[in-house]
Amino acid sequence: QVQLVESGGGVVQPGRSLRLSCAASGFTFSHYSIHWVRQAPGKGLNWVAGISYDGSNEHYADSVRGRFTISRDNSKNTLYLQMNSLRAEDTAVYYCARELYTSDWYPSFYYWGQGTLVTVSS
Amino acid sequence: EIVLTQSPATLSLSPGERATLSCRASQSVDSYLAWYQQKPGQAPRLLIYDASNRATGIPARFSGSGSGTDFTLTISSLEPEDFAVYYCQQRSNWPPVTFGGGTKVEIK
Repeated sequence: QVQLVESGGGVVQPGRSLRLSCAASGFTFSHYSIHWVRQAPGKGLNWVAGISYDGSNEHYADSVRGRFTISRDNSKNTLYLQMNSLRAEDTAVYYCARELYTSDWYPSFYYWGQGTLVTVSS
Repeated sequence: EIVLTQSPATLSLSPGERATLSCRASQSVDSYLAWYQQKPGQAPRLLIYDASNRATGIPARFSGSGSGTDFTLTISSLEPEDFAVYYCQQRSNWPPVTFGGGTKVEIK
């Protein structure tokens, strides 16, 4: 069955860096575009970034552009999110989410990971 | 950026009742709107995509309608497991993908 498993979250000081991973299984990873979506404690969902199935295209929310980098290794079935210059407002549960269909882009998200909590605090 | 406004913020209903949730877009999103359900401590679950298509495994009591700027998620008869928070999301004009603020369906 399809699984997305995030890791790498934790407590980090403002201004520091963290890298999240999302290990995928149960489907042909290289056929799907994948995204990161975050949720601050007690708040709603916010899209962070997305990467195309082959890694050739990336999109970012304005709030993270220039600080976060999404990437993927299709040989390892793994998605990454490199987060630099972290701020208190980046504190959230970060989910990886797979698009519904194998097309160039189709950002409706059928499969989600369980999430990993990132806390930015001094 | 397309802003999605969900109403009401909270809906207090009893099991067996009909729930009607609204999502309004700041500009047309055609039919490129999805609905998700989220329970505490869980990831969101896709219910409806492209306004009216039920995702695989979603019970028939969930239905979506609308196009352009006004959308509705209807739960025909609430089951105990349906009490949760519901979000709409557009993919018409992105980036960014945007979500509504959510509607909490609580037990009356």
